[in-house]
Amino acid sequence: ETGVTQTPRHLVMGMTNKKSLKCEQHLGHNAMYWYKQSAKKPLELMFVYSLEERVENNSVPSRFSPECPNSSHLFLHLHTLQPEDSALYLCASSQGRDGTGGYNEQFFGPGTRLTVL
Amino acid sequence: GQNIDQPTEMTATEGAIVQINCTYQTSGFNGLFWYQQHAGEAPTFLSYNVLDGLEEKGRFSSFLSRSKGYSYLLLKELQMKDSASYLCAVSDSNYQLIWGAGTKLIIKP
Repeated sequence: ETGVTQTPRHLVMGMTNKKSLKCEQHLGHNAMYWYKQSAKKPLELMFVYSLEERVENNSVPSRFSPECPNSSHLFLHLHTLQPEDSALYLCASSQGRDGTGGYNEQFFGPGTRLTVL
Repeated sequence: GQNIDQPTEMTATEGAIVQINCTYQTSGFNGLFWYQQHAGEAPTFLSYNVLDGLEEKGRFSSFLSRSKGYSYLLLKELQMKDSASYLCAVSDSNYQLIWGAGTKLIIKP
């Protein structure tokens, strides 16, 4: 148990569906992240929120829409996904940048296994 | 471009020692992380190196050479529970983590 929870753990959806992934952290961190993990590929950073403001967006398709209502909650809204979007979606949190400007270690949730039919 | 290389898979024997290498080419460097990920579970933090040298933490040690763009994770006295994927990640000039694809470590009795 890392202090970061994600729901649902598994999700199967059609290409025309709309769904949302939820992440909650209980660690008092001020930065949260969405990652995509595909088999045998590096983790892909999708979005970073620091102090509830999005600070990075690595050219993710608009069919993925993040929302960070407060420092403890993060959502990923999904709309008209493609089969190639099937992957493990991981949420992480950290204390954000430390005194030297670097991000501290990230704590990951268990992920949501997404299958797009 | 930015790149992190690590072996795809390694096999070792219970009780032995294994070294997992990671080489990187990134725009800037603000530290290197090692994470462990068991199948179906979240990655968990193992170590962080920002200065050259060896960091030891129990059975696990991590080494960094910034001039060579190289790190390794050393696991001693291997146990069956060490079977997992080991992820290397580098914090670049923008403090963004660049991840390797991970090394799947298989421990045999």
